[in-house]
Amino acid sequence: GQNIDQPTEMTATEGAIVQINCTYQTSGFNGLFWYQQHAGEAPTFLSYNVLDGLEEKGRFSSFLSRSKGYSYLLLKELQMKDSASYLCAVRGDNDYKLSFGAGTTVTVRA
Amino acid sequence: EAQVTQNPRYLITVTGKKLTVTCSQNMNHEYMSWYRQDPGLGLRQIYYSMNVEVTDKGDVPEGYKVSRKEKRNFPLILESPSPNQTSLYFCASSPRGGQGAYEQYFGPGTRLTVT
Repeated sequence: GQNIDQPTEMTATEGAIVQINCTYQTSGFNGLFWYQQHAGEAPTFLSYNVLDGLEEKGRFSSFLSRSKGYSYLLLKELQMKDSASYLCAVRGDNDYKLSFGAGTTVTVRA
Repeated sequence: EAQVTQNPRYLITVTGKKLTVTCSQNMNHEYMSWYRQDPGLGLRQIYYSMNVEVTDKGDVPEGYKVSRKEKRNFPLILESPSPNQTSLYFCASSPRGGQGAYEQYFGPGTRLTVT
C-alpha cells in the first residue's frame, strides 16, 4: 500500500516563509505532485517533481529526495490568500494511480 | 473556457436509491478519474479511465461503478448508496495518464449525503 504523511496544520505570519513536509512510503515512485485547495473549492496544481532537487516557481518551491522518500513545499513571502490546504500526492508503480496525503492546512495570520 | 463540470453539486438521498453523478470535460483529455474526500483521510481514488472504454479500480472502488463510452464523459454510479458513501466527490481529468508532469484538472465537487 501507499503511505503518505503530512502535518495536519501549520500557522505562519504574513510575509514569512513556511515549509510543508511530506514523507512517503510507496510501491515504486514515478513522480510527486503538490496541489493547493482553498476551503470549499477544488484542488489546483502547484508543482511536480520526479528527479531529486528543487523546482522553483515564483513564491513556491518544491524539493524532492527520492532516497529519503521526502519532499517539501516552500511558500515564501506568505500572503493571506495562501491560507489553504496543501496536498502531497505520489504516483507509484502504477502510472495511472495517484495517492494523496491527508493534506496540511496552512493559516496565514496578519 | 476549459473546464471539468460535475452534476449535481449537492445531493441528499436515501439508502438504496440508485444515483449517478455526471462528469464532463471539454479539453479532449484522455485520462479521467474519480476521488472522494473525507476529513482526515484526504483524497482517495475510486476509479480511473485511461481512455474510452478503458477503466480500472482505484483504492476504494467498492460500491461504485463507472463507464467511459465517450471521451468527454465519465459518470460515477452508485447502484445502492449507503451512509458510508456520504462524502465530497471530485472528478478530474488530465491530458494523459502515465509518467510525466500531467497535472489533473478537478471539477467543482459534488457533496453527497446518504441518509
